[in-house]
Amino acid sequence: AQSVTQPDIHITVSEGASLELRCNYSYGATPYLFWYVQSPGQGLQLLLKYFSGDTLVQGIKGFEAEFKRSQSSFNLRKPSVHWSDAAEYFCAVGAGQAGTALIFGKGTTLSVSS
Amino acid sequence: NAGVTQTPKFQVLKTGQSMTLQCAQDMNHEYMSWYRQDPGMGLRLIHYSVGAGITDQGEVPNGYNVSRSTTEDFPLRLLSAAPSQTSVYFCASSYRTTGREKLFFGSGTQLSVL
Repeated sequence: AQSVTQPDIHITVSEGASLELRCNYSYGATPYLFWYVQSPGQGLQLLLKYFSGDTLVQGIKGFEAEFKRSQSSFNLRKPSVHWSDAAEYFCAVGAGQAGTALIFGKGTTLSVSS
Repeated sequence: NAGVTQTPKFQVLKTGQSMTLQCAQDMNHEYMSWYRQDPGMGLRLIHYSVGAGITDQGEVPNGYNVSRSTTEDFPLRLLSAAPSQTSVYFCASSYRTTGREKLFFGSGTQLSVL
């Protein structure tokens, strides 16, 4: 069965510092992988996705993620964090027919300190 | 263009009551799904549908029923509500076309079961 693990429940980063959020997945075939962000009281916004091809994926808001099949990982990175990046981040893997519905990780809460 | 519309936005139920959470989309999406979001648990897939007349179970289907009689609507039914079903419920839809999958999320329904 598909599963997603986000090892870090809460991370605090200084504004301007770099960020890496970890995500490990379990999936039998080539996975469909996603990163979503949720600000407090808001819905989910897609940051980026990976289906195939280049393993380094660029997303919105300056985020990128790298797919590493050998490590079953899809870590999210940003070179310089802004205070507005404080939110909850979810990694997800496609599930069901043609990878449509998603299995989410439990999320990582990002706090940004000044 | 309304996107994905969920009603109601808030609901309070007593244990044992039944109700239906409504979800409608106007984008002619083939795929629709229901998630629940609980603190520290991320989003968990309840049920999903790949087209009218076709539904399947997700990670946490017990206590919930769904049907998909039209492309536009995907209601979620709680037959006998329990306090454990207190959660925020999100409906999502997407196109079937591989490589352009992006989930469009509704704004959520906050349900409290007393």
